Amino acid sequence: NAGVTQTPKFQVLKTGQSMTLQCAQDMNHEYMSWYRQDPGMGLRLIHYSVGAGITDQGEVPNGYNVSRSTTEDFPLRLLSAAPSQTSVYFCASGTRGLNENIQYFGAGTRLSVL
Amino acid sequence: GESVGLHLPTLSVQEGDNSIINCAYSNSASDYFIWYKQESGKGPQFIIDIRSNMDKRQGQRVTVLLNKTVKHLSLQIAATQPGDSAVYFCAEKVVGNEKLTFGTGTRLTIIP
Repeated sequence: NAGVTQTPKFQVLKTGQSMTLQCAQDMNHEYMSWYRQDPGMGLRLIHYSVGAGITDQGEVPNGYNVSRSTTEDFPLRLLSAAPSQTSVYFCASGTRGLNENIQYFGAGTRLSVL
Repeated sequence: GESVGLHLPTLSVQEGDNSIINCAYSNSASDYFIWYKQESGKGPQFIIDIRSNMDKRQGQRVTVLLNKTVKHLSLQIAATQPGDSAVYFCAEKVVGNEKLTFGTGTRLTIIP
């Protein structure tokens, strides 16, 4: 059981380049989400999905796109990278419930935009 | 949105002692809370959760206390070990809202 798998682990981009951060989970979780983590700050929600075909914006969605064509995969796309998007990105998945939302995190992708 | 502050508090504890990590939340509508542990270079790992109808919940060497009156959450770690060194985050959720809101975290360092 791999849990939540993120690729790549590290990436360097030039301003204006595009790329996709991959996230896959094998726990059959309905809920998946993307966070970014900056120094001295907690995790901030970028986008999330409550099931295949359903996505919604989080706290800091600008500059990022997502799609959820399958339960397992939830890729995050940067259309035109900017230095402000230099960060560590975490994908998470979890079960849905009115009173519970335990999320399981991947190991992260460290992105630098030059 | 409501959130905790921008600075990362630090706490140093002697190995074997108990540690208490605090978290103040500002949204009085939050009714579910989680503590996560994040080791260097890794993603956050679930430790323990608590619902708003409880004041205390215990796990293995950890206890979470919730004081809704003052909107305060704490994580107690008993008999700390070197492996407890990490950044600890609290997160909160409002009923009917799918999203978790994370605090900025506290760095715990265990002194051998």
